[in-house]
Amino acid sequence: KAGVTQTPRYLIKTRGQQVTLSCSPISGHRSVSWYQQTPGQGLQFLFEYFSETQRNKGNFPGRFSGRQFSNSRSEMNVSTLELGDSALYLCASSRTSGRDNEQFFGPGTRLTVL
Amino acid sequence: GQQLNQSPQSMFIQEGEDVSMNCTSSSIFNTWLWYKQDPGEGPVLLIALYKAGELTSNGRLTAQFGITRKDSFLNISASIPSDVGIYFCAGQLNDMRFGAGTRLTVKP
Repeated sequence: KAGVTQTPRYLIKTRGQQVTLSCSPISGHRSVSWYQQTPGQGLQFLFEYFSETQRNKGNFPGRFSGRQFSNSRSEMNVSTLELGDSALYLCASSRTSGRDNEQFFGPGTRLTVL
Repeated sequence: GQQLNQSPQSMFIQEGEDVSMNCTSSSIFNTWLWYKQDPGEGPVLLIALYKAGELTSNGRLTAQFGITRKDSFLNISASIPSDVGIYFCAGQLNDMRFGAGTRLTVKP
């Protein structure tokens, strides 16, 4: 069974631009969660999507948004990029949403904002 | 930010030694998970724990879900060089919260 895939793996943008990251979950998984990982803040939860609906949201500004499609694939968008948005963006998929739910991570997208 | 206190932050051990790391929280969780992350890659799930008091093994790895539901530990026995990496604990209630990680270095 294929794992979680994320594209692109690496991305370089400049301040003020916007970016869209893509995540394909494990087949049969309906929940996708997004995380930002930085050396200073560690792994921080962005949001979770389940059945095309946002279930949970972390404490990030509105510049960070996402969506999920009917095939469970998910995209994350960051508008008006700032230098501090440079990070590894990870998505994780799980069978369903909520408790007792193992999350499996993709390899991440390394975003660098210049 | 993170709500889990993971310790130690880093460990330097000799190959063959046992390793122990733990996570504590002021909040209770329904699930505890342990992940390992290699440089440039996403975290890989090692062990998942679903019940207070549960003790689970995965090869040389053993983890326990604390009775109070506010803590968990991970032990690695007879460490080998490929154990090198960053180990994260994660607690789940509604969403998932992560510890800051334990960076493990194994000297051959």
